[in-house]
Amino acid sequence: KQEVTQIPAALSVPEGENLVLNCSFTDSAIYNLQWFRQDPGKGLTSLLLIQSSQREQTSGRLNASLDKSSGRSTLYIAASQPGDSATYLCAVLPYNTNAGKSTFGDGTTLTVKP
Amino acid sequence: DGGITQSPKYLFRKEGQNVTLSCEQNLNHDAMYWYRQDPGQGLRLIYYSQIVNDFQKGDIAEGYSVSREKKESFPLTVTSAQKNPTAFYLCASSISGRAAGELFFGEGSRLTVL
Repeated sequence: KQEVTQIPAALSVPEGENLVLNCSFTDSAIYNLQWFRQDPGKGLTSLLLIQSSQREQTSGRLNASLDKSSGRSTLYIAASQPGDSATYLCAVLPYNTNAGKSTFGDGTTLTVKP
Repeated sequence: DGGITQSPKYLFRKEGQNVTLSCEQNLNHDAMYWYRQDPGQGLRLIYYSQIVNDFQKGDIAEGYSVSREKKESFPLTVTSAQKNPTAFYLCASSISGRAAGELFFGEGSRLTVL
């Protein structure tokens, strides 16, 4: 059974700092990996989707990498801003499934202090 | 604007009552999902549907029921059999369950049992 772990559970940084969020998964046979942002009381907003054949994806100040062999993905946030404060979740979709049943991590709650 | 609409945003239920959460999407997606989120926890899959008139149980289906009579609609009923229904409920969709495309989420519905 796929297990997804996100460490740390919470992170606090000063504004302007570059930071890395981690996502680990136990089964490397994945179809894709998706990073989300969740603000308090809101739904999930998709940030980046990495297909299994890709190594990384970039969107603005965000860069996500995928290393299937080690079972790891990282989300790099450059020049952090207070508006980046949110919970970041990763989700992994196993390859050997006939249904889109993604497995989610518990998330990392990021606080960016002005 | 294409997206997923969940209603109501907040719902209160007395013990012994059934309640239905609405989820409508205009993304022309085949696959739809219901997740439950509890404080400090990741998302857990309740039910999913890959095509109209077909749906499968997820990891925590007991006490819940769904229907998929139309492609754009996937309502979730929380029955009185659900022992601890107070939670944040999220509906999602993707192009196809098997093709495992990007997941899109609604804004969520918060259910509180009085």
